[in-house]
Amino acid sequence: GAVVSQHPSRVICKSGTSVKIECRSLDFQATTMFWYRQFPKQSLMLMATSNEGSKATYEQGVEKDKFLINHASLTLSTLTVTSAHPEDSSFYICSVSFLAGGTNEQFFGPGTRLTVL
Amino acid sequence: GEDVEQSLFLSVREGDSSVINCTYTDSSSTYLYWYKQEPGAGLQLLTYIFSNMDMKQDQRLTVLLNKKDKHLSLRIADTQTGDSAIYFCAEDRGSTLGRLYFGRGTQLTVWP
Repeated sequence: GAVVSQHPSRVICKSGTSVKIECRSLDFQATTMFWYRQFPKQSLMLMATSNEGSKATYEQGVEKDKFLINHASLTLSTLTVTSAHPEDSSFYICSVSFLAGGTNEQFFGPGTRLTVL
Repeated sequence: GEDVEQSLFLSVREGDSSVINCTYTDSSSTYLYWYKQEPGAGLQLLTYIFSNMDMKQDQRLTVLLNKKDKHLSLRIADTQTGDSAIYFCAEDRGSTLGRLYFGRGTQLTVWP
């Protein structure tokens, strides 16, 4: 399966700063990537669909100006949490999707733990 | 919106069978999925089932789907300590683009 990496794996920042998280598809060209966030003991919540070369599609209730997504190449999508606040502290996970055997198979990155002080 | 529901914890003895249950929300979901997450690792696809199937078996894994009740289960036969992990069910709500909607995950603990 596809190998997906995320960087950084862990980041601590001060309130009001912006944080960029990278998601890379290491062995597969991905036109579509997804960003999720996961609170402790909660489900993964789909935030947005990242489309290579076009604007991201955000799920209802997710602020697109708060969570900026850029998918500038077929192997890299970035999520920037702007003006981060403590309530943005969470585990952010990306995934790469491709069609295989009739279904969209997704491969997930290891996640990025964001802590906002 | 409605949530995909799973019980949070399950403990079993090594060698027993484990059954993890899930109630999903959308009858238009085409595929239902089971993912496994081990500590410090990303989610790994275990298996999936097409919505017009009732059952799918893959080695030690058996997936049962009751579409009428929107109930999905994952049975792991001969559970091993290495099966200890968090198991997530997910639905696609009819999306053809790969969007998935997850439950909260069931922490499976296998005792030797």
